[in-house]
Amino acid sequence: AQSVAQPEDQVNVAEGNPLTVKCTYSVSGNPYLFWYVQYPNRGLQFLLKYITGDNLVKGSYGFEAEFNKSQTSFHLKKPSALVSDSALYFCAVIRGYNKLIFGAGTRLAVHP
Amino acid sequence: DADVTQTPRNRITKTGKRIMLECSQTKGHDRMYWYRQDPGLGLRLIYYSFDVKDINKGEISDGYSVSRQAQAKFSLSLESAIPNQTALYFCATSDRGAGAGTDTQYFGPGTRLTVL
Repeated sequence: AQSVAQPEDQVNVAEGNPLTVKCTYSVSGNPYLFWYVQYPNRGLQFLLKYITGDNLVKGSYGFEAEFNKSQTSFHLKKPSALVSDSALYFCAVIRGYNKLIFGAGTRLAVHP
Repeated sequence: DADVTQTPRNRITKTGKRIMLECSQTKGHDRMYWYRQDPGLGLRLIYYSFDVKDINKGEISDGYSVSRQAQAKFSLSLESAIPNQTALYFCATSDRGAGAGTDTQYFGPGTRLTVL
């Protein structure tokens, strides 16, 4: 069955440094992968998705993600972290038709 | 997303009470979803609806029911609330786009429900 794993509960990064939030997937067939961000007391906001095509997907707020089929990974990246990027990040995969299956989430803390 | 609203935003209730959570959207989307979020578990799908006459169970539908009153409204009910239904509940919508079941979903701000 389709699933995703986020191996890190929390990631700590200094402001200005590059950040990576990891996601690995397990699917049968083609993977359809998403990243969402949740700021405190807010709903989830869509960042980006991979359906097909270029392995490097660019999204909102300067984020990008790299689809790696051989490593079954879809890591979220940003070249230079901001304190305002501190939030809870979710990786998700489509199972069946339009049903999102979420990872447990990774809390990103960016320190000044 | 301000186009997807949920009421109430916070609710405290007692075991055995009936509770309804409401979701409205002005995005004109056909498809609507209800999720619950628990710490360490991410979000899990409760019910979804692809149009007014279509209702489907998700991963964890036991103890919940839904009603799609109109294209823009999708309500979630807990007929007899129990403490392990304490969670953050999210409504989401998506458009019937060109993608084959890969729509982007847009989420409301959530309802924090506590069952004592």
